[in-house]
Amino acid sequence: QVRLVESGGGVVQPGRSLRLSCVASGFVFSDFGMHWVRQTPGKGLEWVAFVSYDGSNKFYADSVTGRFTVSRDNSKNTVYLQMNTLHSGDTAVYYCAKDVGRAWDYPDFWGQGTLVTVSS
Amino acid sequence: VLTQSPGTLSLSPGEGATLSCRASLDVGANCLAWYQQRPGQSPRLLIYGASRRATGVPDRFSGSGSETDFTLTISRLEPEDFALYYCLQYGSTPFTFGPGTKLEIK
Repeated sequence: QVRLVESGGGVVQPGRSLRLSCVASGFVFSDFGMHWVRQTPGKGLEWVAFVSYDGSNKFYADSVTGRFTVSRDNSKNTVYLQMNTLHSGDTAVYYCAKDVGRAWDYPDFWGQGTLVTVSS
Repeated sequence: VLTQSPGTLSLSPGEGATLSCRASLDVGANCLAWYQQRPGQSPRLLIYGASRRATGVPDRFSGSGSETDFTLTISRLEPEDFALYYCLQYGSTPFTFGPGTKLEIK
């Protein structure tokens, strides 16, 4: 069955960087786009980034453009989110989610998330 | 921008629920999805393409609407249906979620 396992979260100081990873299994990873979505504790969902099946197309939310970079390594069935210049507003649970197709469409399966806390 | 109403909906098991999602601009090609999130769980896809049920979703869930106005209808509420519901537009980037509707037991 489809499984997505995020890691890399933790407590980080404002202005520092963090890299999240998401390892996928149960499907042909290289055939599907991948999303990152975050959820502030007790609040709603915010879409963060998308990478197409081959890494050639990437899209970002305005709030993270220029600071976050999404990438993937299809040989490792892994998608990454490099987060730079973090601030308190980035504190959230970060989910990776599988897209239903190769290019951008909608997420159809989500991981359990990893918590990122930006605090001094 | 997506808005959802009501913010909170209080109903009893067995009743029907109607949740609204309104977009500030036309959501192209009905690229609108609905997700359910139970406490402590990740979101689960319910509806895509405004009206298509995802695999394994009970037929008491149905979606409708077009352009800027969309509705998720749940007939005959079961105890496990009391959760948060979010709409997502994926017709253009950046994708955007609505703020959510909390469906609670009355």
